[in-house]
Amino acid sequence: DAGVIQSPRHEVTEMGQEVTLRCKLISGHNSLFWYRQTMMRGLELLIYFNNNVPIDDSGMPEDRFSAKMPNASFSTLKIQPSEPRDSAVYFCASSPRADYGYTFGSGTRLTVV
Amino acid sequence: GDSVTQMEGPVTLSEEACLTINCTYTATGYPSLFWYVQYPGEGLQLLLKATKADDKGSNKGFEATYRKETTSFHLEKGSVQVSDSAVYFCALSAFNQAGTALIFGKGTTLSVSS
Repeated sequence: DAGVIQSPRHEVTEMGQEVTLRCKLISGHNSLFWYRQTMMRGLELLIYFNNNVPIDDSGMPEDRFSAKMPNASFSTLKIQPSEPRDSAVYFCASSPRADYGYTFGSGTRLTVV
Repeated sequence: GDSVTQMEGPVTLSEEACLTINCTYTATGYPSLFWYVQYPGEGLQLLLKATKADDKGSNKGFEATYRKETTSFHLEKGSVQVSDSAVYFCALSAFNQAGTALIFGKGTTLSVSS
């Protein structure tokens, strides 16, 4: 099993550009979580899905952020337009169920200049 | 709402010293409790977990006991190594609520020197 795979590993973009982060889940996992990590705020849950359905998106900072799960194994997180304050490491994680714990991807380090 | 509070770091130790990282929680229902570890430049990895009161999770010499009476899940290791240097996160999951996600503490940085 290759684990949770995120791409790209690093992204540098200019303010105002659209950014799309990608995540491939572990086969058989039915829950998908997007987190953002910064020094100031630590790990913040942005949104999570169960069985492809968004359950809680209250952590999404604003309308510039959107997430989709078009099938059971893949998800995207889009920021449009991007701003410097969006610079962070974005992690996705998947789980067969919450009390099993999560498997995290290696993260995407986003820098918006 | 549910929350996790960890001791603030950084924690700086010499090799072979004893480690304790405190974690307390607030939750409704009966959460599962977890410790995750994050090495530099990597994602979080599950270190250990406990799913009910008095359970002890253990892995790689680390252990933590689910204490319902004190709502705590402190991480301990008897003899740390340089390779244990990382950020440690305590987390809870109130799995009796459908679709509830893990709630993480802010993390504690451990630095071990030889």
